[in-house]
Amino acid sequence: NAGVMQNPRHLVRRRGQEARLRCSPMKGHSHVYWYRQLPEEGLKFMVYLQKENIIDESGMPKERFSAEFPKEGPSILRIQQVVRGDSAAYFCASSPPGKGTYEQYFGPGTRLTVT
Amino acid sequence: KQEVTQIPAALSVPEGENLVLNCSFTDSAIYNLQWFRQDPGKGLTSLLLIQSSQREQTSGRLNASLDKSSGRSTLYIAASQPGDSATYLCAVKGTSNTGKLIFGQGTTLQVKP
Repeated sequence: NAGVMQNPRHLVRRRGQEARLRCSPMKGHSHVYWYRQLPEEGLKFMVYLQKENIIDESGMPKERFSAEFPKEGPSILRIQQVVRGDSAAYFCASSPPGKGTYEQYFGPGTRLTVT
Repeated sequence: KQEVTQIPAALSVPEGENLVLNCSFTDSAIYNLQWFRQDPGKGLTSLLLIQSSQREQTSGRLNASLDKSSGRSTLYIAASQPGDSATYLCAVKGTSNTGKLIFGQGTTLQVKP
């Protein structure tokens, strides 16, 4: 049983480039969440998605950030025109479908460095 | 607005001690509370999840309690070991349909041999 997979694990981008972070949820999970951990700060919720739907994007910055979870393939967090302040660890989590316990299982994270 | 606080921010204990980590939250209308462990540079490992209707959960040397009315949870670690050294995070999920977890800042634990 593979856990939540994220790639790449480390990503370096120059200011102004685009960053694409991928997340494959655990097998059978249809809910995906993205969180960001800025240096010396706690984890902050960004967005909650189900297949082909954004359920809650209240934590997403208004500009440059977007997320999708297509019918087939991984969830993608896309950051356009990156700036130094985007340097952080980005974590993806998944949970099973249905109401259940909503227990979230986290991936190893993608560490984005903007130079 | 839900806020989660963890005290202390850091803790250093000798091996073998029993210890308690504290988590408090401002809005008692929660769906559940999860305790996680995070090792440096790594992801989060879920330790225990307590539903709002439960008072405690146990896993091995770990016991988590929940007092929803007072907005508090504690994580008890028995007979601590150097391998327990990590940052411990608590997170609450609200009762709305959103799945988001609100995290505390964490307690960084060091267990000295």
